[in-house]
Order: sequence, then structure tokens, then C-alpha cells
Amino acid sequence: DTAVSQTPKYLVTQMGNDKSIKCEQNLGHDTMYWYKQDSKKFLKIMFSYNNKELIINETVPNRFSPKSPDKAHLNLHINSLELGDSAVYFCASSRVYNEQFFGPGTRLTVL
Amino acid sequence: AQSVAQPEDQVNVAEGNPLTVKCTYSVSGNPYLFWYVQYPNRGLQFLLKYITGDNLVKGSYGFEAEFNKSQTSFHLKKPSALVSDSALYFCAVRDMRGSNYKLTFGKGTLLTVNP
Repeated sequence: DTAVSQTPKYLVTQMGNDKSIKCEQNLGHDTMYWYKQDSKKFLKIMFSYNNKELIINETVPNRFSPKSPDKAHLNLHINSLELGDSAVYFCASSRVYNEQFFGPGTRLTVL
Repeated sequence: AQSVAQPEDQVNVAEGNPLTVKCTYSVSGNPYLFWYVQYPNRGLQFLLKYITGDNLVKGSYGFEAEFNKSQTSFHLKKPSALVSDSALYFCAVRDMRGSNYKLTFGKGTLLTVNP
């Protein structure tokens, strides 16, 4: 009965590669988010979709591209991975303006 | 612009003692305020929120928070700490002015409850 799920849980890859992280929520929420948590545990919003429309697009390198095929899914594709992309990426969902429910995170390590 | 500050990187308390984790915020309009907890290698879990109404908000696991508009604070409290409360706590704010979807998080406070 996982509410917000992410795959994969761990991702280890070489610099320059392209990778994707998938997120799914079964809560019936209309808004989904991607956050990056760095090694100091600082949490930063990257993107948000409301009913498949992009509503938050923070200052993020354009190597990062979100895609929302439907309201229950929000994927994150990263091109040309760099060492500084190593972090934990969290997906979250909510009814717009309400509390967010977070997935378990994807730990990305770029070698 | 909206911002939130958690002035303490770390809080240590003895089991059974009351705990307080501090949070102050800055918004242009009225705030939505949230507390989340993160256990090691886990996602954030929602604890409680303030939107409007009673200044004392009760949440999960016996936690509560007091909204103080004059001091722009939203401190998290628990009357009697448990060792299992040890975790990273995040305060977050959303400015209710306009169509603002963004939630801004504090840098987190590591709570350690000693047996």
C-alpha cells in the first residue's frame, strides 16, 4: 500500500551518463514534486506539476527534465550526469496547497 | 519572498524531558506552516500543520506546535521525549498570498534523545 513510490532506490553511474528516476503516487493527489537533498540534508524544490502542468521550475540545470505522463506519475530524466548531481532525490505529492507526502528517496551516486 | 529559519542545528534532550525545536518564518502574506520528520535513510513524514484557527496545533506521535504571529514563530514541542523521537526535523512555510505552490524548508534540526 505504498503511497508514494520511487524507482530505483539506489542509482550508481558514471559521469556523462543519462539516467531516469520514476515516481508514482496512489493517493489521488493532483500535484507532484521533485526535491533534491544534498549531503548536508538541505532540501531544495526542483520541479512541480499540477494536473500534468509544470507550475514550479526552479533554477535547475537544463540537463534535468521532468515528465508527467499523468497525474499519478512524475519522472525525472537527467542527461550528462556530473559529480555534483550526487544527492538523494525525493518525489512528493499533495492536493494543491496541502501537506506533501514524500517517497522513500533515490540515492544517486555519480562516479 | 518566503523563508524559514531553524536556529539550532542540533538539540539534545534526555528521555522523559520536554523538547522544543525552534522555527521562525518570514512571509509577505499569511503563512501555511508545516513540520516534517525524517528518520535515517527515509523520506520526510508529515507531522502537523497550521493554516488558520487555534494557535496550538496537535499532530502525530504526541507532537504539537504553537503558532505565534507576533514572534513569527512555529516551535515544535513534545511534553515527554522518547528515544525513538531521535531524527531530523524540518519546518516549512508557504506564503498564502497569490497562487504560490512553493514550500520552503528550513535546514533541519537534528534531535537526539538520550536514554
